[in-house]
Amino acid sequence: EIVLTQSPTTMATSPGEKVTITCRASSSVSYMHWFQQKSGTSPKPWIYDTSKLASGVPDRFSGSGSGTSYSLTISSMEAEDGATYYCLQRSSYPNTFGAGTKLELK
Amino acid sequence: EVQLQQSGAELVRPGTSVKLSCKVSGDTITASYIHFVKQRPGQGLEWIGRIDPEDDSSKYDEKFKNKATLTADTSSNTAYLKLSSLTSEDTATYFCTTWYFDFWGPGTMVTVSS
Repeated sequence: EIVLTQSPTTMATSPGEKVTITCRASSSVSYMHWFQQKSGTSPKPWIYDTSKLASGVPDRFSGSGSGTSYSLTISSMEAEDGATYYCLQRSSYPNTFGAGTKLELK
Repeated sequence: EVQLQQSGAELVRPGTSVKLSCKVSGDTITASYIHFVKQRPGQGLEWIGRIDPEDDSSKYDEKFKNKATLTADTSSNTAYLKLSSLTSEDTATYFCTTWYFDFWGPGTMVTVSS
């Protein structure tokens, strides 16, 4: 099983600040996928195939990485970005999620 | 656009089973794998497994092999998740989602309590 380790677990950021969330895989994966989830709702696809933004995702978001190290970056934090972000690998079974990063506004 | 409609909340007794449904609209269910994902209250996402409705083959996370059973009915465009021998550890919201995790159902809340 490929274990995904996300960091940080939680972070509080001021509006306008740059945010980086990392996801490290215990073995190499082909791509990383990211989801945004707000309380009481289903996860939303956010970034797929490492760096492609899902429909409707603002371009202040970006994704990068390869092998065992991936990241999601917000160039300038906005209030609506407060949520929990999960990474997912579906390169091998079982598919696995990271534990999540809760992003809050300061 | 593909939409996933999930069955309503369940309150079930420990030791019993429950079968949750996930109805696909906007496409035929055989066009995509269907995954099921578990989320305990206040916790993260756990992949349970996926089914290929075209041939009924399925893959599970080892943790759920004796807990979850995935089936599909192509005539009703519906996938099912059966959970057996329920305990408090199974209290969670269960989501279904399509092959690339691009469309998600609203989730079914299962509460296991006597």
